[in-house]
Amino acid sequence: DAGVIQSPRHEVTEMGQEVTLRCKPISGHDYLFWYRQTMMRGLELLIYFNNNVPIDDSGMPEDRFSAKMPNASFSTLKIQPSEPRDSAVYFCASSFYSGQGFRSGELFFGEGSRLTVL
Amino acid sequence: QQQVKQSPQSLIVQKGGIPIINCAYENTAFDYFPWYQQFPGKGPALLIAIRPDVSEKKEGRFTISFNKSAKQFSLHIMDSQPGDSATYFCAASKATSGSRLTFGEGTQLTVNP
Repeated sequence: DAGVIQSPRHEVTEMGQEVTLRCKPISGHDYLFWYRQTMMRGLELLIYFNNNVPIDDSGMPEDRFSAKMPNASFSTLKIQPSEPRDSAVYFCASSFYSGQGFRSGELFFGEGSRLTVL
Repeated sequence: QQQVKQSPQSLIVQKGGIPIINCAYENTAFDYFPWYQQFPGKGPALLIAIRPDVSEKKEGRFTISFNKSAKQFSLHIMDSQPGDSATYFCAASKATSGSRLTFGEGTQLTVNP
């Protein structure tokens, strides 16, 4: 399997522009997570989906952020309008929760999308 | 209630040393405690995990020690190598919540040759 695939790997944009980050989870995984990583705040969970349904979006910073999962193989995280404080590495992760063994629920992360908002 | 506190923030050891990273949690409902390892430019990857029914778990040179009464757990790396230099995150979750992990702040480990 190719693992979790994220695009773009790097994005530089100007304040006020719309940013769309994309994620393809591992086939067969039923959970999908969006995390944001910064030096100041570490790894923050933004939102997660189970079977394409958003379960918890309490980590989404504000209404400028939105996420969708139209099918089991694709998700997007959109920021509109973007601001300099949104600069971070955004990770998508997927997992399959079987309830068995210590690897149950193991998160498989993509390589991240590094966003810079000028 | 949902926080996981990790220390130290950074750690430097010599090759062969035994770095120890500590974590403390508050939510007694947590029952799954993984450690993730992250190399620069990569996403975190699962290293080792423990459930509270055991006090210790070993995988190769990596050991988790778990103290349920103190609500603390730690990662020990035996015979550390320069290739172990990475950022380590502890995490915790409730099994019933699937994989919704709460991560610690991370520890940047440097192992000098």
